[in-house]
Amino acid sequence: EDKVVQSPLSLVVHEGDTVTLNCSYEVTNFRSLLWYKQEKKAPTFLFMLTSSGIEKKSGRLSSILDKKELFSILNITATQTGDSAVYLCAEWDNYGQNFVFGPGTRLSVLP
Amino acid sequence: SAVISQKPSRDICQRGTSLTIQCQVDSQVTMMFWYRQQPGQSLTLIATANQGSEATYESGFVIDKFPISRPNLTFSTLTVSNMSPEDSSIYLCSAIKDSSYEQYFGPGTRLTVT
Repeated sequence: EDKVVQSPLSLVVHEGDTVTLNCSYEVTNFRSLLWYKQEKKAPTFLFMLTSSGIEKKSGRLSSILDKKELFSILNITATQTGDSAVYLCAEWDNYGQNFVFGPGTRLSVLP
Repeated sequence: SAVISQKPSRDICQRGTSLTIQCQVDSQVTMMFWYRQQPGQSLTLIATANQGSEATYESGFVIDKFPISRPNLTFSTLTVSNMSPEDSSIYLCSAIKDSSYEQYFGPGTRLTVT
């Protein structure tokens, strides 16, 4: 069974700091890895990664995948209080034909 | 992307009753899923809603408790049957639009069982 692990589980930083969130996975047949931001309601899609070494970027957020070492990172630079959320990583389980979610990293950005 | 709506957005129900949650997508999608998220926890997949056939349930979830329908490529329902307080949770519908495997979520239904 595929498995997704995230670290740290919780993180407190101050505005302006840069953070790196980690996601590692164990899969039998990798297809894609997704990052989500969840505030009060449903998860909001951030990135989908399928290829190793290609950075995806959106504003202050960026993410990259390492398929050899089976992990991905999500970077947030110059953090703002609005970045406070739970960040979820999910991997497509090609055998089960569904997504497997990690436990999430709860990020708190203090003013 | 896909825009997904859910009804109701929240409900308070009595023990022993049933609630049906509706999920509508603004365009045809390849796959639809139902998740449950308990407070402070990550998402747990309940089932994959299959168009025109029975849903595929994950371990720990059964059709009698969580019957699911998907009559077409844009709509699905999840019923939470014979509810107990342990069913209090947020229920989320999601969809994959095409072979890109980008998954989008509905706003969720917050269910409280008293």
